[in-house]
Amino acid sequence: AQRVTQPEKLLSVFKGAPVELKCNYSYSGSPELFWYVQYSRQRLQLLLRHISRESIKGFTADLNKGETSFHLKKPFAQEEDSAMYYCALRDNAGNMLTFGGGTRLMVKP
Amino acid sequence: DAGVTQSPTHLIKTRGQHVTLRCSPISGHKSVSWYQQVLGQGPQFIFQYYEKEERGRGNFPDRFSARQFPNYSSELNVNALLLGDSALYLCASSLDYRTDTQYFGPGTRLTVL
Repeated sequence: AQRVTQPEKLLSVFKGAPVELKCNYSYSGSPELFWYVQYSRQRLQLLLRHISRESIKGFTADLNKGETSFHLKKPFAQEEDSAMYYCALRDNAGNMLTFGGGTRLMVKP
Repeated sequence: DAGVTQSPTHLIKTRGQHVTLRCSPISGHKSVSWYQQVLGQGPQFIFQYYEKEERGRGNFPDRFSARQFPNYSSELNVNALLLGDSALYLCASSLDYRTDTQYFGPGTRLTVL
């Protein structure tokens, strides 16, 4: 069975500090990994997906198959980055997403 | 386009009752998925429908059922409500059911008393 683990429920950093939100997964095949973000009073929205290899709002994430990780990073956090972040995995069979428990990022001024 | 819409926004029911939640996908999207998000946890997959057929089902009891209509809107039905069914129910739509990005609605907050 596939599983996504986000070990930190809460991550608090100061503005301008680097941010790393951890995500580990277990899946026997080749998964597709995503990061979704939920800002206050807004709906869940896609931040980035590993196959795109793009940087969105300064965030990047690299899929490490050896360590089965997909950590989300940003070199300099901004206050507007404060939100709930969810890592998700999609298997080969279909479009079902398996989510981690989420990490709340708080960026302090 | 307003994006994915869900109704109602909030709902309060008592144990044993039945509830129907509704979802309208983004125009042109043919796949709808349902997720349950219990407070403090990530969303958990319930169902996926594509072209009116069930394409996937999560680990939920038979009290949960869904369907998709010819206009691609969808309903999630839950019978014999339990206190543990209290959650935010999210609907997501996508162009297809395999590879496309899922776009989420605002959710329906269900409280079971």
